[in-house]
Amino acid sequence: AQKITQTQPGMFVQEKEAVTLDCTYDTSDPSYGLFWYKQPSSGEMIFLIYQGSYDQQNATEGRYSLNFQKARKSANLVISASQLGDSAMYFCAMRERNQFYFGTGTSLTVIP
Amino acid sequence: EAGVAQSPRYKIIEKRQSVAFWCNPISGHATLYWYQQILGQGPKLLIQFQNNGVVDDSQLPKDRFSAERLKGVDSTLKIQPAKLEDSAVYLCASREGLNNSPLHFGNGTRLTVT
Repeated sequence: AQKITQTQPGMFVQEKEAVTLDCTYDTSDPSYGLFWYKQPSSGEMIFLIYQGSYDQQNATEGRYSLNFQKARKSANLVISASQLGDSAMYFCAMRERNQFYFGTGTSLTVIP
Repeated sequence: EAGVAQSPRYKIIEKRQSVAFWCNPISGHATLYWYQQILGQGPKLLIQFQNNGVVDDSQLPKDRFSAERLKGVDSTLKIQPAKLEDSAVYLCASREGLNNSPLHFGNGTRLTVT
């Protein structure tokens, strides 16, 4: 079974609107971490936000928030007030013990 | 703090040739990872080091790929001989030991095998 599933290959959002990128994960380990990364066309992987499995509150970092639904094993990324510079690939990842598993990514395009 | 350094940035070789990539992690990061990212896909782990020991190399094609991390600091990844399907971006990442610490990636090496 896939450890991380991202079902949206591509998404479009209007500038200044909010967008949700979906991520579901699969683990039987009670302790794990969830991460989102942004990969612009230049190729670097930029860390955006982290959620621990024991964290009670959803993580937030500026315009990024993580909608963590533990029972559903989902960790969706919400980007508020989209900007043109948000156009990129977005990867969801899970840390299980000391290993990281990545999804296949979602390509986000922000439309002016 | 200086980031993860990788070189070269780009490399073009012919199939059956050999190539080597270098990575210098963030100072103090004990764990180092090499990932392969084929166009349109997520990163796939090739090998993980903890200091200078290998933690996981289960997905490393050992008949052609090798990696080392001498002295527990910088690392090299080698492919010999290269195949067309090795064309990809090779990403190096390092990490502190805390549960909430993310992977810090270098800019990657884009390899084209012709």
